[in-house]
Amino acid sequence: SAVISQKPSRDICQRGTSLTIQCQVDSQVTMMFWYRQQPGQSLTLIATANQGSEATYESGFVIDKFPISRPNLTFSTLTVSNMSPEDSSIYLCSVKGRGENTEAFFGQGTRLTVV
Amino acid sequence: SQQGEEDPQALSIQEGENATMNCSYKTSINNLQWYRQNSGRGLVHLILIRSNEREKHSGRLRVTLDTSKKSSSLLITASRAADTASYFCATIGSGYSTLTFGKGTMLLVSP
Repeated sequence: SAVISQKPSRDICQRGTSLTIQCQVDSQVTMMFWYRQQPGQSLTLIATANQGSEATYESGFVIDKFPISRPNLTFSTLTVSNMSPEDSSIYLCSVKGRGENTEAFFGQGTRLTVV
Repeated sequence: SQQGEEDPQALSIQEGENATMNCSYKTSINNLQWYRQNSGRGLVHLILIRSNEREKHSGRLRVTLDTSKKSSSLLITASRAADTASYFCATIGSGYSTLTFGKGTMLLVSP
């Protein structure tokens, strides 16, 4: 199992600004994932953060908008840049065990409102 | 995309009743997982069923998987008000490490 600490838990930001979300895991993990959950919607994978290499972004997400850092095996950050009201969502970090038949663990999420 | 589709989108029942949620997906999978989310917070893993399994139990949860129909169901028996949450299915394909989530079912259990 893994315990994930994610912060901030919520924030209200002005459009045009940026917010950095932090994710700390209590154990070393190879892969960390960042998801976006728009209001009333399901989770959409933004990117996979690998330690020591650039993140792998899913279709529709770009590094300039969502830069990710992964300096070590227990920590990652996601920045939401040049925010607009459309970025208002819950952002979640997640880790998963190696192999396909393993469960994922999630942070408590960051509820972002852009005004 | 092998995103799952949950059915129903919302379900309202009384305490003590059973709740059944369904999930369909589009492509072959290695396993299917169910997660629970309380009030827009982090997700909690409930149960994983592999593609070669047909049924799995965990406490009050029963999950079935029909790979020929590309569908799964989650049954919560003797529901409680504390079961009120959103429930998501998620799939992972062979050779993949990422989960693809369905749209979710919002369950409301009234006392």
